[in-house]
Amino acid sequence: DTAVSQTPKYLVTQMGNDKSIKCEQNLGHDTMYWYKQDSKKFLKIMFSYNNKELIINETVPNRFSPKSPDKAHLNLHINSLELGDSAVYFCASSQGRQGSLFFGSGTQLSVL
Amino acid sequence: AQSVTQPDIHITVSEGASLELRCNYSYGATPYLFWYVQSPGQGLQLLLKYFSGDTLVQGIKGFEAEFKRSQSSFNLRKPSVHWSDAAEYFCAVVPRGGQGGSEKLVFGKGTKLTVNP
Repeated sequence: DTAVSQTPKYLVTQMGNDKSIKCEQNLGHDTMYWYKQDSKKFLKIMFSYNNKELIINETVPNRFSPKSPDKAHLNLHINSLELGDSAVYFCASSQGRQGSLFFGSGTQLSVL
Repeated sequence: AQSVTQPDIHITVSEGASLELRCNYSYGATPYLFWYVQSPGQGLQLLLKYFSGDTLVQGIKGFEAEFKRSQSSFNLRKPSVHWSDAAEYFCAVVPRGGQGGSEKLVFGKGTKLTVNP
């Protein structure tokens, strides 16, 4: 059973398009995250949701909007995609907020 | 400035050899400390963590890490490396105190491990 699953695994699209990435966790965790990993493997948090409330929104362009319909889901919608958005996006979850995260396998986004 | 540093970008070891990956942090108070591993094409997996207590912590897959307060270090070790250990390894910290928790998790830049047969 996949603990944190995200779809799609690969996403190739044109500049200016709008796309969504979906994430679901079946661990019963109360906190979910979106991370961006750049081409140099550097990981940076984008969003964190605890019990469906946004805790943090680092300096992410407002073209990125997280949506959490319930505690088990955290989707990422991206408007007006830019070349610089190309990266691997990881969803993660945790019970509580002590740093023990479970990660999905990532979505590789390529903007052409 | 607060930071977590992994001095080695890339390490190559032979299968069966011992391994040590370095991690140093710069925080006012000892943060919560973690090691994650990322296999090619996969997400990150937690290997081990240190919150308090015994400074030598055991993790999964035969890994251990030792917290040394005097050196502000949390190095990861394995006595005998297997080919399947080839991956990217990330040290991470969560600052103690103040508000917030794992949303403050900060990752090092990673160390890529190559294992030669």
